Amino acid sequence: QVQLQESGPGLVKPSQTLSLTCSVSGGSISSGRYFWTWIRQNPGKGLEWLGYIYNSGSTYYNPSLNSRLWISVDTSKNEFSMRLNSVTAADTAVYYCARGGVDDSSGFFDFWGQGTLVTVSS
Amino acid sequence: DIVMTQTPLSLPVTPGEPASISCRSSESLLDSYDGNTYVDWYLQKPGQSPQLLIYSLSYRASGVPDRFSGSGSGTDFTLKISRVEAEDVGVYYCMQRVAFPRTFGQGTRVEIK
Repeated sequence: QVQLQESGPGLVKPSQTLSLTCSVSGGSISSGRYFWTWIRQNPGKGLEWLGYIYNSGSTYYNPSLNSRLWISVDTSKNEFSMRLNSVTAADTAVYYCARGGVDDSSGFFDFWGQGTLVTVSS
Repeated sequence: DIVMTQTPLSLPVTPGEPASISCRSSESLLDSYDGNTYVDWYLQKPGQSPQLLIYSLSYRASGVPDRFSGSGSGTDFTLKISRVEAEDVGVYYCMQRVAFPRTFGQGTRVEIK
């Protein structure tokens, strides 16, 4: 059973960089055809897809983030990370990492982390 | 971006009774290349991460009870629960994956009357 676990600071100051890591267990991040994905949920609101990284390092980001997001992968540690710069209060959210298949037939998100709340405040 | 609109946003239900949630997309979710429709449904139970219920319009995820079903075509989709149980409370989301960025509906909160 694949498990994902987010980690990182719970409080970030405005204009600084939000950094989170997702540790993957129960399977190798290098194997299979998966998009390793970040999704967030603003307090009391819905879900926003942020972007993904493939194990080759190729990425796709939500254009709504205005080039503030960068996702990387460390296959030796079986983890992937995100950095969101120039944060504002609007970036306060629960951040989830999730696994989605590359193939259309398996592109749904079958495994999710438990989520980590990040608050942007001075 | 493809906009996903769910109705209703709140749905009080009686255990044992059926329930239905609608989701409409701003563009067709039919993939003309392979003929599949790429809409998925997720349930976020209180205090938990979202969990996959239905994928590719009508396929139940592993372990999902058969009281859940997905249907629809083009831009109009429905999630049905044949007989609601207490454990079904939470927020239901539809999501499109025919295009990037993936987008979700606003969510429908299902609660027991």
